[in-house]
Amino acid sequence: SQQGEEDPQALSIQEGENATMNCSYKTSINNLQWYRQNSGRGLVHLILIRSNEREKHSGRLRVTLDTSKKSSSLLITASRAADTASYFCATDEGGGNKLTFGTGTQLKVEL
Amino acid sequence: DGGITQSPKYLFRKEGQNVTLSCEQNLNHDAMYWYRQDPGQGLRLIYYSQIVNDFQKGDIAEGYSVSREKKESFPLTVTSAQKNPTAFYLCATLGAGKTEAFFGQGTRLTVV
Repeated sequence: SQQGEEDPQALSIQEGENATMNCSYKTSINNLQWYRQNSGRGLVHLILIRSNEREKHSGRLRVTLDTSKKSSSLLITASRAADTASYFCATDEGGGNKLTFGTGTQLKVEL
Repeated sequence: DGGITQSPKYLFRKEGQNVTLSCEQNLNHDAMYWYRQDPGQGLRLIYYSQIVNDFQKGDIAEGYSVSREKKESFPLTVTSAQKNPTAFYLCATLGAGKTEAFFGQGTRLTVV
């Protein structure tokens, strides 16, 4: 079973708008990470948030983490067409080395 | 030039055959992972290894096997017991800080 479930499964927005994706997970974690995947390629790391952090920023990315709800959100501000990709959350399930990914959100940013 | 190399990029297999996907890394990372991705789906963990000569089953290990004889290499064998092997396979490593996973470019396996 998937550790993480993301919603929405797909998101289509106009360039310049903000995009928000959500991730829920099942077990305790030490950290949660977000990755990006362009079609047919490997994943690229975007940002990590530790279990004792509530919010983190990196450029146009803002990540929040609510460990009581076992959920996280990724906000991309002022989106660009180049942001079109799939986005996945990943957790170190149980705080160990088992790295599991969510189901992903497919983001399309239209001009 | 550091990174993870997966080969081949495309692989075709006849039903009933075993095939082995290669994953090599020069990042000196201990932990290595194999994931399967079906079209429009997330990544599902097949096997992972934290150290040489040791590996653990992931969520969908049936029909797959791995070995970890060297730190740099973590090959995945898709056996004939895997009933639906057509998928995109991704190999990844995780450094000691566990802060970022690095991925290869994937192998697309098709059963013909």
